[in-house]
Amino acid sequence: QVQLRESGPGLMKPSETLSLTCSVSGFPINSGYYWAWIRQSPGGGLQWIASLYYTGFTTYQPSLKSRVTMSVDTSKDQFSLKLASVTAADTAVYYCARAVGSAPKYLDFWGQGIPVTVSS
Amino acid sequence: QSALTQPRSVSGSPGQSVTISCTGTASDVGGYDFVSWYQQHPGNAPKLLLYDVIKRPSGIPDRFSGSKSGNTASLTISGLQAEDAADYFCSSYAGHFSVFGGGTKVTVL
Repeated sequence: QVQLRESGPGLMKPSETLSLTCSVSGFPINSGYYWAWIRQSPGGGLQWIASLYYTGFTTYQPSLKSRVTMSVDTSKDQFSLKLASVTAADTAVYYCARAVGSAPKYLDFWGQGIPVTVSS
Repeated sequence: QSALTQPRSVSGSPGQSVTISCTGTASDVGGYDFVSWYQQHPGNAPKLLLYDVIKRPSGIPDRFSGSKSGNTASLTISGLQAEDAADYFCSSYAGHFSVFGGGTKVTVL
């Protein structure tokens, strides 16, 4: 069974860079799927942030593209997200997931999510 | 603001059917047969219910079904059960990115 787990800080200050890591188990990260980050705002809406293939190919949400970087460490079966210059609007629960397609056609396995608050 | 439009809430009695709509544009829902639906119970991560408009992952009951007409996709829950009370989100492939609906709260009366 594919399992994903997010890790990272829960509290950020405005203008800082958020760094999150997703650890994958039960399925090799270099086996034909994309890996994605999605966030859910306090109001409940979901937003796809970015996707990555194990080769390093990435696709980003256009509205976030200037601030987002995804990377992968296949030796650790981990992938990461960096979101620069965070503001209160970036407060959300951040999920990592396995994705079908670079701009996901669907997301079939999700992590439990990690809440991130941006506050001064 | 969410790219796909869903009703904020729907409700039904046990055993009844409810349908949730998901309206987009010709650039997303209407342009591709890559609509997916997710169920989310409070405090949990979303769970994939349907993909490619009509397909169910292993383990999803056939009470959940999907359809699409033009720019609107729909999720139907037949034989509503208490455990179906949750939030439901649609999503669509839109070419170079993916978009979600705002979510629909299903209440079982």
